[in-house]
Amino acid sequence: DVVMTQTPVSLSLAIGQPASISCKSSQSLVHSDGKTYLSWILQRPGQSPKRLIYLVSKLDSGVPDRFSGSGSETEFTLKISRVEAEDLGVYYCWQATHFPQTFGGGTKLELK
Amino acid sequence: EVQLQESGPGLVKPSQSLSLTCSVTGYSITSNYWGWIRKFPGNKMEWMGYISYSGSTSYNPSLKSRISITRDTSKNQFFLQLNSVTTEDTATYYCARGTGSPWGPGTMVTVSS
Repeated sequence: DVVMTQTPVSLSLAIGQPASISCKSSQSLVHSDGKTYLSWILQRPGQSPKRLIYLVSKLDSGVPDRFSGSGSETEFTLKISRVEAEDLGVYYCWQATHFPQTFGGGTKLELK
Repeated sequence: EVQLQESGPGLVKPSQSLSLTCSVTGYSITSNYWGWIRKFPGNKMEWMGYISYSGSTSYNPSLKSRISITRDTSKNQFFLQLNSVTTEDTATYYCARGTGSPWGPGTMVTVSS
């Protein structure tokens, strides 16, 4: 299975600060169709997970543009330009290029 | 708006089968892929499998032959069955469309005697 390694495990930031979460895969996530099936999801406290970004950098509808995704092959990053209170929760990267699909271990964003 | 809702027993005895239903509104399950994902206590997420628009299925090998995903297109529902459960199957179970948009609210299942 493809191992997805997320860092840091936790992040404590004040509102307005930038955030960056890294996700590294044990194999290239470029599919034979040329696409890279790497998504980022957020689970806020008491809520179900919500996808924020798909195909590395495409924002889902309604996701604020303070979120951005980047990366290629085996290294990917989620950035929040300025953290807001509603951003707290656990972030996961998720690959669907290789079978079986696998998740990162999660990064908990807390507000300082 | 696409919405998913899981339902099923919250408590299952060891060695028995876990059966969950995902009811979908606002979108036909004869399009796209429909999956089951679970989150264990402590944040670990596991993709369990999916059923496609055509009814074909794909399962995580970690679940070996214990898992089955089926559907009822007339009710726009799909189902998870996990056999021979143990306490290690205690988790919150989610259904989701495609690669994660949207998810249902989830249902917590405890395996305990």
